[in-house]
Amino acid sequence: NAGVTQTPKFQVLKTGQSMTLQCAQDMNHNSMYWYRQDPGMGLRLIYYSASEGTTDKGEVPNGYNVSRLNKREFSLRLESAAPSQTSVYFCASSEPPSGTNNQPQHFGDGTRLSIL
Amino acid sequence: SQQGEEDPQALSIQEGENATMNCSYKTSINNLQWYRQNSGRGLVHLILIRSNEREKHSGRLRVTLDTSKKSSSLLITASRAADTASYFCATDSLGSSASKIIFGSGTRLSIRP
Repeated sequence: NAGVTQTPKFQVLKTGQSMTLQCAQDMNHNSMYWYRQDPGMGLRLIYYSASEGTTDKGEVPNGYNVSRLNKREFSLRLESAAPSQTSVYFCASSEPPSGTNNQPQHFGDGTRLSIL
Repeated sequence: SQQGEEDPQALSIQEGENATMNCSYKTSINNLQWYRQNSGRGLVHLILIRSNEREKHSGRLRVTLDTSKKSSSLLITASRAADTASYFCATDSLGSSASKIIFGSGTRLSIRP
């Protein structure tokens, strides 16, 4: 049982290049999320998908696009990478909330992205 | 914007001692979660406490929640070297989409052998 798998684990891009980060989960979760983590900071939500076929903006969506390809896969695309997007990117998944109660999120091990 | 803020930012203790981390938040919540992050890895969920709960235990972990003070604490008893990690609290907001939670900036815990 792999949980949440992210690819690639590391990537170096030049400014202006595009790239898609891949995420897949095998827990049959409805909800999936993309976060970025910068040094000394917590995770900030970029986009999330409450269920297959829906996506919504999080706290820091500018410069990113997402695709919920199916229930298992949720990809994050940088169309024109900028140095400010150098970060560690985490994908997570969870069961849908039960009423107003959140469910625990399960995380991948991240993609470390450097943009020169 | 960050809803939860952990205190202290860094904590170093001797193996076997207890570690206490605090989280303060700004707006009313439905529930609060604590996560652990080992170096170079993703976050792992530790415990969730609901707004109508005051204390919750899981193994060596004890979490308290004081909604009147908008604060929570995570106590790790009898610390071990394997507890070395960063610990984050995560909160939602009443009235917001329950799918969205906001993480604090974390407490870096180091356990000295």
